[in-house]
Amino acid sequence: GAVVSQHPSWVICKSGTSVKIECRSLDFQATTMFWYRQFPKQSLMLMATSNEGSKATYEQGVEKDKFLINHASLTLSTLTVTSAHPEDSSFYICSAIPRLAGGHVYEQYFGPGTRLTVT
Amino acid sequence: DQQVKQNSPSLSVQEGRISILNCDYTNSMFDYFLWYKKYPAEGPTFLISISSIKDKNEDGRFTVFLNKSAKHLSLHIVPSQPGDSAVYFCAASARYSGGGADGLTFGKGTHLIIQP
Repeated sequence: GAVVSQHPSWVICKSGTSVKIECRSLDFQATTMFWYRQFPKQSLMLMATSNEGSKATYEQGVEKDKFLINHASLTLSTLTVTSAHPEDSSFYICSAIPRLAGGHVYEQYFGPGTRLTVT
Repeated sequence: DQQVKQNSPSLSVQEGRISILNCDYTNSMFDYFLWYKKYPAEGPTFLISISSIKDKNEDGRFTVFLNKSAKHLSLHIVPSQPGDSAVYFCAASARYSGGGADGLTFGKGTHLIIQP
């Protein structure tokens, strides 16, 4: 149980274009989803917290107008990288917390990630 | 400023022996700690967690120890198996009981290699 999927698994786009990445919880409802970014040989860095039906909360240094997050339902959150540049090339990973998490409110379940390459 | 530190980028252990992965943190507000296992090009998989009110949590071959005074935790895997070879991330959170959820702060990971 507790499966999170991401689509696409990898994408190559040209500089200046926008890319949308989807994150879905397949067998549970998620009130909260998170978006992380990982550069090679680095740790996962939290970008933003996405709550269903409300605006996302962005971490310091993350441009909210560049990384648009929409959490329209309890099973879907999307991250749109607008006007992508080569420095946005990274591995983007989402995670979700089940709506009824019992005592493990921080047992986040991660998606498989999306490799974005901007040329 | 690295709030969660894993100072060993890699660790090599012989199959059947104990693997000990270490993690240090600086933020005294952290009250929940997790270990994740990650393969290349995949998302992290949850392994085991511990809250700050405990000093030990055990699940099968995996045991996590927490030393709050030293701001140190460790993951013990015994016996180590070839399938344990992966990158292990230590993660921490500053809000545990109810009232919402914060994202996790991750260390840089330790690449564990189990040798036959």
